[in-house]
Amino acid sequence: NAGVMQNPRHLVRRRGQEARLRCSPMKGHSHVYWYRQLPEEGLKFMVYLQKENIIDESGMPKERFSAEFPKEGPSILRIQQVVRGDSAAYFCASSPLAEMNTEAFFGQGTRLTVV
Amino acid sequence: AQSVTQLGSHVSVSEGALVLLRCNYSSSVPPYLFWYVQYPNQGLQLLLKYTTGATLVKGINGFEAEFKKSETSFHLTKPSAHMSDAAEYFCAAATYNNNDMRFGAGTRLTVKP
Repeated sequence: NAGVMQNPRHLVRRRGQEARLRCSPMKGHSHVYWYRQLPEEGLKFMVYLQKENIIDESGMPKERFSAEFPKEGPSILRIQQVVRGDSAAYFCASSPLAEMNTEAFFGQGTRLTVV
Repeated sequence: AQSVTQLGSHVSVSEGALVLLRCNYSSSVPPYLFWYVQYPNQGLQLLLKYTTGATLVKGINGFEAEFKKSETSFHLTKPSAHMSDAAEYFCAAATYNNNDMRFGAGTRLTVKP
């Protein structure tokens, strides 16, 4: 049973380009969470999705950022018109249920560098 | 909403010495508490978690943590550090669901030979 798979592991984009980050949850997991880790900071919650639904996007910047988790395929975190401040590690986690008694498993992250 | 504070962004210990990583939380309700470890260029791996029941929680790799409600703390300890313990450690707290989870800023543990 593969763990949470994120790709690419490293992504370099020029300012103004689009970044698309993919996350395939563990088999049987229908809950996906995206976090951003800035240098010297902890993980900041961005968005929580279930299949075809955004449940909580309270941590997502209002502009340029969007996320989806379609019925088929991976969850996508999309950043339009990237800026240098978007450079960070983006982690995805998945769980079978939303309740805290079930562990959320993390992927290895995508490190985005904006040049 | 809860917040998590980790005292000390960098901790250095000698191999074989006690490891103590501090974590305090603020929450209006008793939270669920977690410690995660992150090795270089890796994702987060759960070390241990406290949900209910016994306040002393044992995790993987010889780590343990004690939930002290009166001190709003959940410090992580290990009696004897190994070189392989060198990593970044994150404390996290949540009150309801996984999307409620909040992380501390992390503590980087260095183990000297």
